[in-house]
Amino acid sequence: SQQGEEDPQALSIQEGENATMNCSYKTSINNLQWYRQNSGRGLVHLILIRSNEREKHSGRLRVTLDTSKKSSSLLITASRAADTASYFCATVFTGNQFYFGTGTSLTVIP
Amino acid sequence: DAGITQSPRHKVTETGTPVTLRCHQTENHRYMYWYRQDPGHGLRLIHYSYGVKDTDKGEVSDGYSVSRSKTEDFLLTLESATSSQTSVYFCAISDDPQHGYTFGSGTRLTVV
Repeated sequence: SQQGEEDPQALSIQEGENATMNCSYKTSINNLQWYRQNSGRGLVHLILIRSNEREKHSGRLRVTLDTSKKSSSLLITASRAADTASYFCATVFTGNQFYFGTGTSLTVIP
Repeated sequence: DAGITQSPRHKVTETGTPVTLRCHQTENHRYMYWYRQDPGHGLRLIHYSYGVKDTDKGEVSDGYSVSRSKTEDFLLTLESATSSQTSVYFCAISDDPQHGYTFGSGTRLTVV
């Protein structure tokens, strides 16, 4: 499979703490994207990082990419209860297809 | 989700019956995708389309067919539903896959 794999599978933190989740993948990529899924809903695009970028920020989100290790991390700073969701990485190879990992389930406790 | 609608939202069907799920978009995006989501497997690509009448298989296409006769509609058909096809099905659209997808709200299908 060309899927990315997120780690950890589940994460529980207190509101205000930072949350870090990781994604590893298997082959060379054009870019990597992170998505959020709230319970019972579709996925929502959060941030994209290209293969020639090492770090990207968007609000409270920080994404890093290490192509030599074939891994990426998503950091959510100052977490809120509303951040409770599942987070998926999607790897984009040449072509039109995305491959999604199995996700990290984040619970932020108020 | 704005611009993309899946129907039905929920369906229960019997083993062996054909089922068609519909994805409708108003964004005029070229690319449309069908994924299924199952616990422990994440999202897996079933089929995708890169234009009217242009489709290709994904990683779990067996037992599924698709059609796209108009830009706005992408149909997923389970030719003879089996219990293993019980899942949540998501449609996604994109004008450029390198920029990301927009997902529909999903169809929860139960095959009994």
